[in-house]
Amino acid sequence: GAGVSQTPSNKVTEKGKYVELRCDPISGHTALYWYRQSLGQGPEFLIYFQGTGAADDSGLPNDRFFAVRPEGSVSTLKIQRTERGDSAVYLCASSSTAGVYNEQFFGPGTRLTVL
Amino acid sequence: TQLLEQSPQFLSIQEGENLTVYCNSSSVFSSLQWYRQEPGEGPVLLVTVVTGGEVKKLKRLTFQFGDARKDSSLHITAAQPGDTGLYLCAGARSGSARQLTFGSGTQLTVLP
Repeated sequence: GAGVSQTPSNKVTEKGKYVELRCDPISGHTALYWYRQSLGQGPEFLIYFQGTGAADDSGLPNDRFFAVRPEGSVSTLKIQRTERGDSAVYLCASSSTAGVYNEQFFGPGTRLTVL
Repeated sequence: TQLLEQSPQFLSIQEGENLTVYCNSSSVFSSLQWYRQEPGEGPVLLVTVVTGGEVKKLKRLTFQFGDARKDSSLHITAAQPGDTGLYLCAGARSGSARQLTFGSGTQLTVLP
């Protein structure tokens, strides 16, 4: 497809479980971002990849959160020992390095519910 | 504490009315973007402003970046039900150009 895709669209898990969220960026976009959006709030930055490397992971809340992008395209956000407070919509965005002023294109998000 | 404060948080108006949404900060941004988000979807970029004092028009939407690049406004003329959505401002700061800081959003409802 032409846009950013994310799977699954919804994920329900139990406290303490491990989850993986996947993001497929726009073809050719070298920059990829993960955000978390809680109800009634704007997106909160988590991590930014340029190519395969995490260029800025300052937004990851703690060491239970980890993200990879091994081939510089698809990315996976991994959350260990999930907590109820992790419940949110996780958004992925991508942008072209050549894009001016960092214009990001967002996917529809994965709604994570931790019971 | 949000670095970018948006007001109002909620706005419900009748079709045909005008409205203004504000985005304020104590920090200077190298650029500022406005997004619109609908339920179940990701934010969609409307505009990017980069120069202090800049005004951009997109059909019935007018965006302004403050002279000091700390604040911005979005004005909608003759609102339509299709304008309903969550409007988000997002700023990029020098040195962290890839990291966007989002405001908490303004939920706009335009009633027919």
